[in-house]
Order: sequence, then structure tokens, then C-alpha cells
Amino acid sequence: QSVLTQPPSVSGAPGQRVTISCTGSSSNIGAGYDVHWYQQLPGTAPKLLIYGNSDRPSGVPDRFSGSKSGTSASLAITGLQAEDEADYYCQSYDTSLGAHYVFGTGTTVTVL
Amino acid sequence: QVQLVESGGALVKPGGSLRLSCEASGFTFSDFHMSWIRQAPGKGLEWVSHISPGGSTIYHADSVEGRFIISRDNAKNSLRLQMNSLRAEDTAVYYCARETGGYPRDFDSWGQGTLVTVSS
Repeated sequence: QSVLTQPPSVSGAPGQRVTISCTGSSSNIGAGYDVHWYQQLPGTAPKLLIYGNSDRPSGVPDRFSGSKSGTSASLAITGLQAEDEADYYCQSYDTSLGAHYVFGTGTTVTVL
Repeated sequence: QVQLVESGGALVKPGGSLRLSCEASGFTFSDFHMSWIRQAPGKGLEWVSHISPGGSTIYHADSVEGRFIISRDNAKNSLRLQMNSLRAEDTAVYYCARETGGYPRDFDSWGQGTLVTVSS
């Protein structure tokens, strides 16, 4: 059972903007730990999409953006494209369990 | 370029053992923290184990503590996961991943994964 909650699915038409929330608590995001985001295309390994809450690795389009506030974080995709259809996961650190890395429940993005 | 290649996945009976390997190339392996992360069929990602660059600091998720052992051989650029007392719920694709960055570190490079199936 993940401590970071994401909506199971979001959808949008090409060109639209969608956002994915990642809701945590005072023992993870709210404690000040960074949030990272990953994109997993069907049948492939996850790929780092956003690190340090809002930074993009080289090669990631600026259509992807991240933010963090309080006990939550968000990933926004603007100008949605067909190739953005994938699963998206947030990741942080939690001190309430055996500690260590935690992933969100995952969100499937569908392009209508 | 950074490359991580896992191997060792197989079909194993409950209670059995398996050892996974991850061969790294394209970077100075001994400089980086590493982790194993798994994904059960149709499910989300679950962090499994972490090891520091020199191997002195090791963490395991509660779900595998006492059954799995992570290790590394920096001379061979190799990461390993010894999996004992395997259960059906350990069935998953296992990824090795390089850690980097801030606090917490992110996983900036992943292997292609190796499938472990625990079934009688």
C-alpha cells in the first residue's frame, strides 16, 4: 500500500493540458523531501521525467512540468500528444515506514 | 552511454531461491548508489533494496527484509540481489536503477528488467 496517492487515470484530447496529483503526508512530501516523476511507456522500463520537484533531465520536452506545495506535488502536461500515453509515477522518501524510497500509486494518461 | 542489463530472472517454486545480476557500463559504477525496484504484473512500482557506493550501507523494504540481500562488486561493475524464501507475491519484473541527485535521490537510469515468477 503506497503512501503517495495518485488518481488512477486522467485523459485529455490532443493539445489539451492535464495534471496528475501526488498526495502524501507529513512523513514524506510534507517533511520537505523532493518529489520526482517517471514516465513508463507500455512494455518499457520507467524513465526519469522530472527530478527535484520541477527540474527536467536533458531531452525531456518543456511540455512537462512539476510543482510541489505542502504535502502534495503535481505533474502537468501541456500540449498533450499521442506519445504521452503512458503510466506516470511520483517518487519521494518516507520516514514512517522502514523509511526509504516510496512510489506513488501510478496514473495512466489516455489521449482521446 | 549509461547501460544497465539485468539477468537471472526465472520461474521458481515457492520457498526457492534466485540470484539476480545487473551489469553496469558507461559510467563509474563505484561512484553511485544503486537500487532494485520491482513491478508486479499490472501493478505499480515498489522499491526493494538500496546499496551505497562502497557497499557499507544497505536498506531493504520491509516486504523483503530478512529474505533478500543486495550486494555489489565494484571491480566487476555488478549489482546483485540474492532472493531467498521466495513467495508468490515476489512475482514481478525486477529493475536495477542508478541513484543520483538530491534528497531523496532519484533513479536516473534503469535497466530493461528481468522477470521473476514464483509459482508451483
